[in-house]
Amino acid sequence: DAGVIQSPRHEVTEMGQEVTLRCKPISGHNSLFWYRQTMMRGLELLIYFNNNVPIDDSGMPEDRFSAKMPNASFSTLKIQPSEPRDSAVYFCASSYPGFDNQPQHFGDGTRLSIL
Amino acid sequence: GQQLNQSPQSMFIQEGEDVSMNCTSSSIFNTWLWYKQDPGEGPVLLIALYKAGELTSNGRLTAQFGITRKDSFLNISASIPSDVGIYFCAGGRVSSNTGKLIFGQGTTLQVKP
Repeated sequence: DAGVIQSPRHEVTEMGQEVTLRCKPISGHNSLFWYRQTMMRGLELLIYFNNNVPIDDSGMPEDRFSAKMPNASFSTLKIQPSEPRDSAVYFCASSYPGFDNQPQHFGDGTRLSIL
Repeated sequence: GQQLNQSPQSMFIQEGEDVSMNCTSSSIFNTWLWYKQDPGEGPVLLIALYKAGELTSNGRLTAQFGITRKDSFLNISASIPSDVGIYFCAGGRVSSNTGKLIFGQGTTLQVKP
């Protein structure tokens, strides 16, 4: 079975540019999570969706960040305009919590470098 | 906000030694999970615990869900070089019904051959 698929795996761009990260969750999972990982702050939850609806975006750092989930099989995280401090590894994870709180499964991440 | 305190922050051990790490919280969780992250990859689930007091093994790994529901530990026996990585604990609540997890800060494990 295919796991969570993220693209691109690596992105290097200049500050001020728009960056779009993509995620395809595991088929049948109805919760999707976006995380950011840095050495200083560890793994931070940015936003999560349940049944394609954003539930909690309190972790989104600024208005420059936005996320969408137009359907059950696709989500995007966009940064516009990007800044060097946005450099990090961004992970997408999905789960089917149901009644017994099934665990999250992670993609391999997008390593983002803003010059 | 909600936090899990994971310790130790890092460990440097000799191959063959046993390893122990733990997570504590001031809040109750219904689920405790342990993940491992290899360099350049995403965290991968090692063990999931769903009942207070539950003790579960996965090969050389053993994890327990604390009786108070506020803590969990992970033990690795007879460590090998491929055990190197970052280990994360995570707590979840069934009541949230969205699968949201609270993650610890991670334990970085290095194994000397």
